[in-house]
Amino acid sequence: SQQGEEDPQALSIQEGENATMNCSYKTSINNLQWYRQNSGRGLVHLILIRSNEREKHSGRLRVTLDTSKKSSSLLITASRAADTASYFCATDGNTPLVFGKGTRLSVIA
Amino acid sequence: GAGVSQSPSNKVTEKGKDVELRCDPISGHTALYWYRQSLGQGLEFLIYFQGNSAPDKSGLPSDRFSAERTGGSVSTLTIQRTQQEDSAVYLCASSLAGASADTQYFGPGTRLTVL
Repeated sequence: SQQGEEDPQALSIQEGENATMNCSYKTSINNLQWYRQNSGRGLVHLILIRSNEREKHSGRLRVTLDTSKKSSSLLITASRAADTASYFCATDGNTPLVFGKGTRLSVIA
Repeated sequence: GAGVSQSPSNKVTEKGKDVELRCDPISGHTALYWYRQSLGQGLEFLIYFQGNSAPDKSGLPSDRFSAERTGGSVSTLTIQRTQQEDSAVYLCASSLAGASADTQYFGPGTRLTVL
């Protein structure tokens, strides 16, 4: 069964706006990763946050982790049309990584 | 250096036929993973190879699915007697050592269509 569940399933915003995606999971984790997928093909790693971290930044990305609520959020600031993609969270469950169903982000120019 | 490559990029087959999907991981990566992604869905873990250890086959959906990794490098995923529900994108990934914190590097996938 899937560990992570992203919310919302789809998000449409205007270029320049911020996009926030959430991920909830069920069991304890050591770390949580966010990946991006363009056009239903290979995924690209964006950022990893460890269970003892609360917030992490990378360029226009900000990730938070609340282990008490078993949730994480990915914020993309000043979005661009090129950010249009699906975003997945992945947690280290019993198998190496367990992926959610993803949030489909559309950034309209 | 080259990334993860997969072949073929697209495969159309008839129900009941066998198919083989190939994955070439990044050189030096000891861990290799296969996932399946149905349309609009997340990634479903299939199988995981780590070094010389016995593979983790816990995600294989049926005994029609099998995979091998020869020489610790190239991997082949075989689906026997394909069914229409096997239609999906099959993604391969590799990582340096297989730790849960390792970044997984994905190939472009093989889109399988079973008619």
